[in-house]
Amino acid sequence: DAKTTQPPSMDCAEGRAANLPCNHSTISGNEYVYWYRQIHSQGPQYIIHGLKNNETNEMASLIITEDRKSSTLILPHATLRDTAVYYCIVRVAGDYKLSFGAGTTVTVRA
Amino acid sequence: KAGVTQTPRYLIKTRGQQVTLSCSPISGHRSVSWYQQTPGQGLQFLFEYFSETQRNKGNFPGRFSGRQFSNSRSEMNVSTLELGDSALYLCASSQQNTGELFFGEGSRLTVL
Repeated sequence: DAKTTQPPSMDCAEGRAANLPCNHSTISGNEYVYWYRQIHSQGPQYIIHGLKNNETNEMASLIITEDRKSSTLILPHATLRDTAVYYCIVRVAGDYKLSFGAGTTVTVRA
Repeated sequence: KAGVTQTPRYLIKTRGQQVTLSCSPISGHRSVSWYQQTPGQGLQFLFEYFSETQRNKGNFPGRFSGRQFSNSRSEMNVSTLELGDSALYLCASSQQNTGELFFGEGSRLTVL
């Protein structure tokens, strides 16, 4: 069962930062936060993951609160190609599966 | 580096038939996972294989089975197809069990 809560949808203006929230209030100390996205009719794409420190890569930044009960995925300059369903997932290190929830449908508008 | 390849991309079957889907992982990746995606249930884990061994299985009936070959390629089989098996079946590979999965584009199965 998914252990995360995300808003069902959100809009973002092209060129602006998109901040995607995720609540994971029951996260355990050995669980990581993963973000994936799925563009229509494609397989999910890994974005980023973290344990307790903030993380940044070429795609996005992940900000995890100090108590680790929530996190925010930041797309710094959203483009139309970032329109997708974004999934926030908590995963125990070594677990063999990802439990996807409903995700957030992000629509980037010109 | 080639990505995860799934075949066939689209197929139509009738109730009662069986189907076999194939997945070729990224070269060097030894873990292969399968997921089912439907509008009603979303993405659900089917099973995961590593070095030809099934390490974990999701909550699906025994009609769903899979295997992995020595070259890490994997197949999944669904027997006695039901209408509810219509879905996008996604395969993902990873080097170890890191949680960073690389997904293929899926095989879209329609059961009539």
